[in-house]
Amino acid sequence: IQLTQSPSSLSASVGDTVTISCRASQGISSALAWYQQKPGKAPKLLIYDVSTLASGVPLRFSGSGYGTDFTLTIISLQPEDFASYYCQLFNNYPTPNTFGQGTKLEIK
Amino acid sequence: QVQLVESGGGVVQPGRSLRLSCAASGFTLSNYAVHWVRQAPGKGLEWVAVISYDSVNIYYADSVKGRFTISRDNSENTVYLQMDSLRAEDMAIYYCARPADEFVFDWYFDLWGRGTMVTVSS
Repeated sequence: IQLTQSPSSLSASVGDTVTISCRASQGISSALAWYQQKPGKAPKLLIYDVSTLASGVPLRFSGSGYGTDFTLTIISLQPEDFASYYCQLFNNYPTPNTFGQGTKLEIK
Repeated sequence: QVQLVESGGGVVQPGRSLRLSCAASGFTLSNYAVHWVRQAPGKGLEWVAVISYDSVNIYYADSVKGRFTISRDNSENTVYLQMDSLRAEDMAIYYCARPADEFVFDWYFDLWGRGTMVTVSS
């Protein structure tokens, strides 16, 4: 199963709402997670099981989707949200773990 | 402090070997699978390998199968990645990562190390 994220890059302003798409090549269960990565840092878990916020993640982040189409939405962008975002498929035996190619969110 | 710390990266010539280590502290590593994920310069995340908590389940990405070997020493709280026959395309930051739940091996990751850089160059 392949994951395709779009767009690959995105420019937005503080206060905007943005959505990032993650499309699976075939239907998957709820085993989808989202990560945020800032330059020079390890990825950070944002959302798991499609829509469950990880501990400490602000409520302006949300995830949704079903089947093959999944979305990460960030409302009221804050300066610290400008980063790269990756979706991840897990629990996909016999190929553990697949990442989308990433989306770079840049400040306009 | 709950953390993973990678080490062993460096500069190596194509065709040579390198062994990375992932040391855990602040939690019982023997209850967790450990994954290696890499990121080439300016590129996205690529899953590399996983070893289950008991070493029974081991899987590799096709890109490293036959060249990389993952292992663990639970008495040392450490997981290793032996990388042989290194290629230019293996150059990346290598992260180890822990699944969020104990005893599962294919899960989302709630703990990552800071990474160790592997440079493959003649």
